[in-house]
Amino acid sequence: DQQVKQNSPSLRVQEGRISILNCDYTNSMFDYFLWYKKYPAEGPTFLISISSIKDKNEDGRFTVFLNKSAKHLSLHIVPSQPGDSAMYFCAASANQGGSEKLVFGKGTKLTVNP
Amino acid sequence: DTAVSQTPKYLVTQMGNDKSIKCEQNLGHDTMYWYKQDSKKFLKIMFSYNNKELIINETVPNRFSPKSPDKAHLNLHINSLELGDSAVYFCASSQRFLGYTFGSGTRLTVV
Repeated sequence: DQQVKQNSPSLRVQEGRISILNCDYTNSMFDYFLWYKKYPAEGPTFLISISSIKDKNEDGRFTVFLNKSAKHLSLHIVPSQPGDSAMYFCAASANQGGSEKLVFGKGTKLTVNP
Repeated sequence: DTAVSQTPKYLVTQMGNDKSIKCEQNLGHDTMYWYKQDSKKFLKIMFSYNNKELIINETVPNRFSPKSPDKAHLNLHINSLELGDSAVYFCASSQRFLGYTFGSGTRLTVV
């Protein structure tokens, strides 16, 4: 029962172009969403987040869009750089007793070609 | 000055053994977690502790026992290891959602 789905296991883009990573969720109780970047043999690194009261959050080259009615969010990276090549995980949370349990998607492997 | 550090990074052990993974955070966070990334690459929460109190305990076998001696440490002890326990285990900490930070992972291989 995947509550958070990343249906594209991989994505290839050319350097300088836009990368769009998608994420869908099923649990309407989720109220906070995060994107993590992960390199092999390292832990996930926080990238950007968005609260359910917003529909867009921007930080430099990274923008996250949230469409609550569609239960969909996306991460836009523009312009894409070869150093962005990594696994990207979408995560969601519904605050649980004051302790934030994150539910992760399966990840999308982004490859940015020079 | 690693924020969330876990040891060991790699652990290879035989079935039936008991092993521990240690985690320490120096961020002053109140909450610590253990996540497991299985062979299908899903990252799933196992436990969370808030100020040494167990808050989340997902459906995890009793062979897994977390221990939090203080709010900066959350260790994971595993008894009677099984082949299916092979995975990468990540420790994390947070203060609300501020700075939800993961360690670099411990790759456990049970042979």
